[in-house]
Amino acid sequence: EVQLVESGGGLVQPGGSLRLSCAASGFTVSSNYMSWVRQAPGKGLEWVSVIYSGGSTYYADSVKGRFTISRDNSKNTLYLQMNSLRAEDTAVYYCARDWYYYGSGSYDYFDYWGQGTLVTVSS
Amino acid sequence: DIQMTQSPSSLSASVGDRVTITCRASQSISSYLNWYQQKPGKAPKLLIYAASSLQSGVPSRFSGSGSGTDFTLTISSLQPEDFATYYCQQSYSTPTITFGQGTRLEIK
Repeated sequence: EVQLVESGGGLVQPGGSLRLSCAASGFTVSSNYMSWVRQAPGKGLEWVSVIYSGGSTYYADSVKGRFTISRDNSKNTLYLQMNSLRAEDTAVYYCARDWYYYGSGSYDYFDYWGQGTLVTVSS
Repeated sequence: DIQMTQSPSSLSASVGDRVTITCRASQSISSYLNWYQQKPGKAPKLLIYAASSLQSGVPSRFSGSGSGTDFTLTISSLQPEDFATYYCQQSYSTPTITFGQGTRLEIK
């Protein structure tokens, strides 16, 4: 059974740092594309970052230069290092598997999600 | 960035109703469109991928259609467990994907 379990959220002051973890089971993180998606309180979904199976990484403009996505293959775990945090980074952060379907094109979608971890940036 | 606009933003309906939610892209995205359902306090759940393909385990009362810039999610006969928020998401501009703002489906 595929499972994703996030941890590491909490209350942090503006300008501070936090590292989120996403422990996977039932599949191999390093063989898949993995993303972080966040949701501010009462708001919609916002894609944050992705790491490809080959190791390439991409970020939303809103977090570029402040957040770093990585993985530990030995622990089958995905991470999000968040630095220089701002109030607008307050959100529930979800990790999700970014699965590719090859039909008439190469379609991708988030087929498995974790339960989310809340990050609150406030003084 | 490709903007995704859903309509309506909220919708009241009754059990047994047929409901349609629309998603419009700011440019053509072919069939690179997915739909998710989210219930309060829970993670989103994939319903439809590639505009019209039903994810395994999702009831057949859910269907998706469209291509280019205009897409619809239809629930043929609303069930009590379908009251939730629905999001569309484009994957045309992968890796920088974007979501619609959501449509909240409430009980009338």
